[in-house]
Amino acid sequence: EAQVTQNPRYLITVTGKKLTVTCSQNMNHEYMSWYRQDPGLGLRQIYYSMNVEVTDKGDVPEGYKVSRKEKRNFPLILESPSPNQTSLYFCASRKIRDIGMEYNSPLHFGNGTRLTVT
Amino acid sequence: KNQVEQSPQSLIILEGKNCTLQCNYTVSPFSNLRWYKQDTGRGPVSLTIMTFSENTKSNGRYTATLDADTKQSSLHITASQLSDSASYICVVSALTGRRALTFGSGTRLQVQP
Repeated sequence: EAQVTQNPRYLITVTGKKLTVTCSQNMNHEYMSWYRQDPGLGLRQIYYSMNVEVTDKGDVPEGYKVSRKEKRNFPLILESPSPNQTSLYFCASRKIRDIGMEYNSPLHFGNGTRLTVT
Repeated sequence: KNQVEQSPQSLIILEGKNCTLQCNYTVSPFSNLRWYKQDTGRGPVSLTIMTFSENTKSNGRYTATLDADTKQSSLHITASQLSDSASYICVVSALTGRRALTFGSGTRLQVQP
């Protein structure tokens, strides 16, 4: 089954304790991205990657890191979490191109990671 | 600055009734507009895409419209069902090298029996 898998689904941690949220997709998509969703603010992009070893900041990158060593994986790293990073996080992927064609393909989202930082 | 505004923020309707959700955008240059449905506790799922040349597109009981001149889109839900209760998110793609996406904050729809 084609899917984006995030782990864990729920995470409670304390301020300053480094954590990683994993994201994996099995659709061979070039593009992967992380979002946070907060009430009234909608989805805001944290980081995105157009392909392996290519990452770029989104709208709210402060306090986060990412890496794209393999095409299928795109982990989100919080080196020193703070309470303002308490949020619902989504990873997503989509196909960008194939044999010279550009796609208007949809984002495929994981089921989210609810993070609480105390 | 590219922006996407959705209205209303929330909506309650009775099962079987119709409703229309609105999306206004100022994204330029425009590439396409997608509507996503997000069930509680799940990631958003694409419902439909509207490109510049399309005015109307249907997906079952969902009908999306696009007016590229006024930069407005609507999502009409016909004969609502309890399973339509969800958030509906409008996402506009800009025609840039990075395919930048701008997200609306969503409309929360609740269908009551």
